[in-house]
Amino acid sequence: GQQLNQSPQSMFIQEGEDVSMNCTSSSIFNTWLWYKQDPGEGPVLLIALYKAGELTSNGRLTAQFGITRKDSFLNISASIPSDVGIYFCAGLTGANSKLTFGKGITLSVRP
Amino acid sequence: DAGITQSPRHKVTETGTPVTLRCHQTENHRYMYWYRQDPGHGLRLIHYSYGVKDTDKGEVSDGYSVSRSKTEDFLLTLESATSSQTSVYFCAISAAAGGYTFGSGTRLTVV
Repeated sequence: GQQLNQSPQSMFIQEGEDVSMNCTSSSIFNTWLWYKQDPGEGPVLLIALYKAGELTSNGRLTAQFGITRKDSFLNISASIPSDVGIYFCAGLTGANSKLTFGKGITLSVRP
Repeated sequence: DAGITQSPRHKVTETGTPVTLRCHQTENHRYMYWYRQDPGHGLRLIHYSYGVKDTDKGEVSDGYSVSRSKTEDFLLTLESATSSQTSVYFCAISAAAGGYTFGSGTRLTVV
């Protein structure tokens, strides 16, 4: 089946640093989504990307839909302690398909 | 998100007992999903529904059943709970295939 690959499983950064996360697949996706999960809560949608090559920002977050449609990245600039959490990428292959999720990256931010 | 609630938030149950988790939405969304989240596995789809009385299996459906008799409620039942079903369960809703809104989760422990 389709798989989305996120690595590493965990990342540790210093407050104020930028961090970039990749999500790759051997399959083509038509929509890419990035979610963040805070401890004890459900994932929350951060950014949605609908077109190959699209670059979208949401505050300190920037995400891009790869040209090949097989990858996406999320960049967080000037990290702060509340950026701590699990970041999931997710993809859709078609209008009636279900989301495929990556396994997530746990981000820790040292003050 | 106030539009989707899960109950209970926490439950401890004994092996072999039946358990039902409830997902309730006030958004009138067509699609509803049940996921489980386990360390190292990310989010895995158990069952989903695309309308009242229309449900289908996800990738980890063994040992689970669902029912959707009204648009707003999607029930997940473990007929005979096992320790391998100890997990955090998330419900999600979507208006169309695409960005899902997740509930806050139910932490289930089977002892």
